[in-house]
Amino acid sequence: QQQVKQSPQSLIVQKGGISIINCAYENTAFDYFPWYQQFPGKGPALLIAIRPDVSEKKEGRFTISFNKSAKQFSLHIMDSQPGDSATYFCAASRNDYKLSFGAGTTVTVRA
Amino acid sequence: EAGVVQSPRYKIIEKKQPVAFWCNPISGHNTLYWYLQNLGQGPELLIRYENEEAVDDSQLPKDRFSAERLKGVDSTLKIQPAELGDSAVYLCASSLANHEQFFGPGTRLTVL
Repeated sequence: QQQVKQSPQSLIVQKGGISIINCAYENTAFDYFPWYQQFPGKGPALLIAIRPDVSEKKEGRFTISFNKSAKQFSLHIMDSQPGDSATYFCAASRNDYKLSFGAGTTVTVRA
Repeated sequence: EAGVVQSPRYKIIEKKQPVAFWCNPISGHNTLYWYLQNLGQGPELLIRYENEEAVDDSQLPKDRFSAERLKGVDSTLKIQPAELGDSAVYLCASSLANHEQFFGPGTRLTVL
């Protein structure tokens, strides 16, 4: 049973465009929502994370928007660059350690 | 600072054979995780160690999978016997207590 549902499965964006990835969860006990970036042949690396006491967090070109009442959160990649081409995973956990991952979104940025 | 080290990076075996994966976590990280990542899916937790104690192995298929973390540092994950459905990437991660998890590059297993 997948606890975090992620969409879309893949997306293509032009250089300079905005990439948006959405995730939804059911378990209201989740209190930590990270996003991971994974390049081929590499392990996932933490990109940005948010806790439910804030609705938005921005780090550089990456922004998480969080809607607690809807149990949804999303990743926005602004001014997308070819180097952003990777697979992105949302995740959720309770007490930080047991991460439940979404299925991933493959982002392709066209130059 | 070195990251999480895993070996081998790739392994091809025939079904019913045994296989073992090794992980060396980041120095000082007391928590170690083994994840399974199927193609096109997110990682799924198999087992979590705090020091040398397995504190969550509820998702580890214990009939064929085993793991150990002697002396609370390196860890080994073993499959015996391997089945076709075990073909996947096996990821190791480490962290300080319940903080950010750092992942290794993984071992890609192919069972023929």
